[in-house]
Amino acid sequence: NAGVTQTPKFQVLKTGQSMTLQCAQDMNHNSMYWYRQDPGMGLRLIYYSASEGTTDKGEVPNGYNVSRLNKREFSLRLESAAPSQTSVYFCASKLAGGYNEQFFGPGTRLTVL
Amino acid sequence: QKEVEQDPGPLSVPEGAIVSLNCTYSNSAFQYFMWYRQYSRKGPELLMYTYSSGNKEDGRFTAQVDKSSKYISLFIRDSQPSDSATYLCAMTEILSGAGSYQLTFGKGTKLSVIP
Repeated sequence: NAGVTQTPKFQVLKTGQSMTLQCAQDMNHNSMYWYRQDPGMGLRLIYYSASEGTTDKGEVPNGYNVSRLNKREFSLRLESAAPSQTSVYFCASKLAGGYNEQFFGPGTRLTVL
Repeated sequence: QKEVEQDPGPLSVPEGAIVSLNCTYSNSAFQYFMWYRQYSRKGPELLMYTYSSGNKEDGRFTAQVDKSSKYISLFIRDSQPSDSATYLCAMTEILSGAGSYQLTFGKGTKLSVIP
């Protein structure tokens, strides 16, 4: 049971390049989330998917798109990367309904030059 | 003003000290209050959660919620070097019928426990 996995672990992009961050969970969770973490800013929600087939914007969605590929996988795409998107990105998942713990992945460190 | 305020520290204490970490919040609809621990270059992991007001104890850790003051605390007794990490408070309201919920995080407090 690997929990929440994220690929890649590290990435360096040039301004204007695109890339997709991958997230997968093997806990049969319904809801999945993408956060970014910046120094002095804490964790901020980018997008989430309450269940397979649905996605919704979070606090900071601009410049990102997401795809809930199936129940296990939730990807985050940067179409035209900007230096302001340099951050650590975390994926999380949880069971649906009421309060259930969000489990986080190990993160992807992205630098945009 | 952000919904959740947390002093980022850093906080440095000697081994064995009692540590007090705090957050204040402005949204009176928040019902669930969590503390996450994040080691350097790792993802956050849930340490404790509390529903509504009151205390909850788990080993050396105690979480307190005072909804009247919109103030939550995490106490660590007999702190150990292995407690050195960033501690993030988080909170949410859970809407009836909602399939999911959104967490609002504090900025995190970096704690170092010195041997």
